[in-house]
Amino acid sequence: QVQLVQSGAEVKKPGASVKVSCKASGYTLTTCAMHWVRQAPGQRPEWMGWISAGNGNTRYSQMFQGRVSITRDTSASAVYMDLTSLRSEDTAVYYCARDANWGPDYWGQGTLVTVSS
Amino acid sequence: ETTLTQSPAFMSATPGDKVNISCKASQDIDDDMNWYQQKPGEAPIFIIQEATTLVPGIPPRFSGSGYGTDFTLTINNIESEDAAYYFCLQHDTFPYTFGRGTKLEI
Repeated sequence: QVQLVQSGAEVKKPGASVKVSCKASGYTLTTCAMHWVRQAPGQRPEWMGWISAGNGNTRYSQMFQGRVSITRDTSASAVYMDLTSLRSEDTAVYYCARDANWGPDYWGQGTLVTVSS
Repeated sequence: ETTLTQSPAFMSATPGDKVNISCKASQDIDDDMNWYQQKPGEAPIFIIQEATTLVPGIPPRFSGSGYGTDFTLTINNIESEDAAYYFCLQHDTFPYTFGRGTKLEI
């Protein structure tokens, strides 16, 4: 069955970068797109960007433009999300979510990123 | 950017009740609306796709309706296990956007 397993919680200082991984199993990585979504405490989820199926084109939300990068390693069946220049407002749970053509379906378990000095 | 206005933010129900959760889009999104259920500390679960299609494995007491700008998630004959946070998502245009969510208490 489809599973997305994310890397563990991170604590970072303001200005640092974080890289969160999402390892996929139960399907071939390149047949589906992958989204990254974050959810801060008490806030609605925010879409950050995606990497497409097939050729792996990326698209990012303007809110994160220049700070976020999504990549994939097909040999490892994994997708990665890098977020730079962290600030306290980036404290949130970050999710990867697969998209088989009708929006996010399977979600990872979430990775808590805490930004604190 | 398409804004989703979800209501109510909070609702309380009794087992056996029927509840409706609304999500209104700021522009026409055809049927590109999904609904998710999320319990504390857990990942979201996909329950309704393309506005009206029940995701396999989801109990039939859940249903979705709507097209264009107005959408509704309905839960019939509510059970205690349905206590959760529910949110809508539009995947018609980038950036994908979410409703603010509805906390359902049983």
